[in-house]
Amino acid sequence: AQTVTQSQPEMSVQEAETVTLSCTYDTSESDYYLFWYKQPPSRQMILVIRQEAYKQQNATENRFSVNFQKAAKSFSLKISDSQLGDAAMYFCAYKIVRFGAGTRLTVKP
Amino acid sequence: DSGVTQTPKHLITATGQRVTLRCSPRSGDLSVYWYQQSLDQGLQFLIQYYNGEERAKGNILERFSAQQFPDLHSELNLSSLELGDSALYFCASSPDGGDPYEQYFGPGTRLTVT
Repeated sequence: AQTVTQSQPEMSVQEAETVTLSCTYDTSESDYYLFWYKQPPSRQMILVIRQEAYKQQNATENRFSVNFQKAAKSFSLKISDSQLGDAAMYFCAYKIVRFGAGTRLTVKP
Repeated sequence: DSGVTQTPKHLITATGQRVTLRCSPRSGDLSVYWYQQSLDQGLQFLIQYYNGEERAKGNILERFSAQQFPDLHSELNLSSLELGDSALYFCASSPDGGDPYEQYFGPGTRLTVT
């Protein structure tokens, strides 16, 4: 069964700094999508970024980028120039059917 | 606003009772997914419907059932409720039935079982 592991329950970053959230997964499939979702206190699930496994190029969305290492089954999220509004729970997901336990990100002013 | 609506927003009920959660997908989307999020935990995938048919099943209890109607709205029925069923239930939709490239989440229904 596919599993998704987020090894950092909590992370903290200074405003304007860069932070990286880790995610590893396990699968025997070769083609799949990976996602990072943000869940602010409102509890709304917001898609941050997605990666297609067959694409070697790492996905980027403005200040958000991923480091996708397919062989290592690693999918980390880098947030650059962190803003107060980035404070939230972040969930890594495999094919939207398997979510990690989440990382709570705090942004310090 | 994702375009996915869920009703009710909040629901408080007693153990042993039965409730129905409703979801209307984004216009044009054929797939509906249901998830359960217990307090401070990740989302657990429950079930997917595509164009009225069950497409994939996750960790859905036998006390839970779902269906998707011809107008594509979906209902999640929870019966013989237990305290541990208290959670946030999300519905999401996507345009087709395969591995979704994009998925849109509703605001969730918060269920409290007392």
